[in-house]
Amino acid sequence: DSGVTQTPKHLITATGQRVTLRCSPRSGDLSVYWYQQSLDQGLQFLIQYYNGEERAKGNILERFSAQQFPDLHSELNLSSLELGDSALYFCASSVGGSTGSYEQYFGPGTRLTVT
Amino acid sequence: GENVEQHPSTLSVQEGDSAVIKCTYSDSASNYFPWYKQELGKRPQLIIDIRSNVGEKKDQRIAVTLNKTAKHFSLHITETQPEDSAVYFCAASRSSGYSTLTFGKGTMLLVSP
Repeated sequence: DSGVTQTPKHLITATGQRVTLRCSPRSGDLSVYWYQQSLDQGLQFLIQYYNGEERAKGNILERFSAQQFPDLHSELNLSSLELGDSALYFCASSVGGSTGSYEQYFGPGTRLTVT
Repeated sequence: GENVEQHPSTLSVQEGDSAVIKCTYSDSASNYFPWYKQELGKRPQLIIDIRSNVGEKKDQRIAVTLNKTAKHFSLHITETQPEDSAVYFCAASRSSGYSTLTFGKGTMLLVSP
């Protein structure tokens, strides 16, 4: 157990819908990262937050957005869902910051199925 | 940006053999190189990492080597066991808490009893 939690574990929804994935980082970690892993694909970095502020963006679609709240949990919002959005979505956390450690620890993931 | 290439994509070995997975990176400023193990349907788990100030690091049956001049690093697993079967990902980043990891595409390791 890495200490990073994600809910829900599974999510099944229809095309065109909107869903919200939630992540709570390890105690003491200020940085949260979101990744997408499609079938037979590697880990695609989506977005990073540090202490409530967006720090880096990767291959995140405009239909996707995220935020990190004052209690440091983060939510990833996926809208106008398409079949191709079906994937495992992982959250990872690290202490972060200019002097903090940068080892990333992953949560258990949310498996999204769009039908 | 950083680009990480990983080889091979699949690797089959017999129990007790050694396994080697290799990665190359493009950003000469990268100096943190972690390896993750992902079992089917599970989270990626950090198994070992190396920073650019060392050339090799060992932890029991696993070791990682780094050649900064050639910009490549490798994972070595000795005395493989069936429970080592998983997908292994290498990654690279600059060693800052603000930096992001760039992952290789993964290597599926199959260890046959």
